[in-house]
Amino acid sequence: GQQVMQIPQYQHVQEGEDFTTYCNSSTTLSNIQWYKQRPGGHPVFLIQLVKSGEVKKQKRLTFQFGEAKKNSSLHITATQTTDVGTYFCAGSRNNNDMRFGAGTRLTVKP
Amino acid sequence: EAGVAQSPRYKIIEKRQSVAFWCNPISGHATLYWYQQILGQGPKLLIQFQNNGVVDDSQLPKDRFSAERLKGVDSTLKIQPAKLEDSAVYLCASSSPSEGQGGYTFGSGTRLTVV
Repeated sequence: GQQVMQIPQYQHVQEGEDFTTYCNSSTTLSNIQWYKQRPGGHPVFLIQLVKSGEVKKQKRLTFQFGEAKKNSSLHITATQTTDVGTYFCAGSRNNNDMRFGAGTRLTVKP
Repeated sequence: EAGVAQSPRYKIIEKRQSVAFWCNPISGHATLYWYQQILGQGPKLLIQFQNNGVVDDSQLPKDRFSAERLKGVDSTLKIQPAKLEDSAVYLCASSSPSEGQGGYTFGSGTRLTVV
């Protein structure tokens, strides 16, 4: 079945350093979503990418969807302690069956 | 706008007992999802409803799990009998295709511990 793989599993950075998490699918996706889950919280929607090669920015966050629509990345510039949490990608083949990756847990040292 | 409401917030039961979770989605959201999130893992889709019809329940362990959304609004998820490996957070989410950003809104979840 459809699988969405995320790497790395953990990332520890010094405040001010950049951070990137990668998402790869075994099948072509119709769209991909990114979520952030703070410790003890629930996933919060960040963004959806639909088009091949799409790039979207939200302040210090940059999201990319690969040309083949099988991979995606989230890049955070100059991390802050408020960025701490687990970042999940979730992909769908037909706008219905959204499957989540295992997430990348980000910790930031002040 | 009210968010997705879930109850109870926490539940501790013994194995082989039954348990039920309740979810009230955002008003007007036709699509409702139940996810299981085991500690340290990503959410796993259990079942998806479109109004009161099931769209996808391929990952629902139907020998012990059941869910319903009778009037196309509230939903309940039941486990009977529970096993130790059912210990997880059960997340309810809702979405609406008419809301352009396309993301799911999750509730705070029910943390189930089976002892």
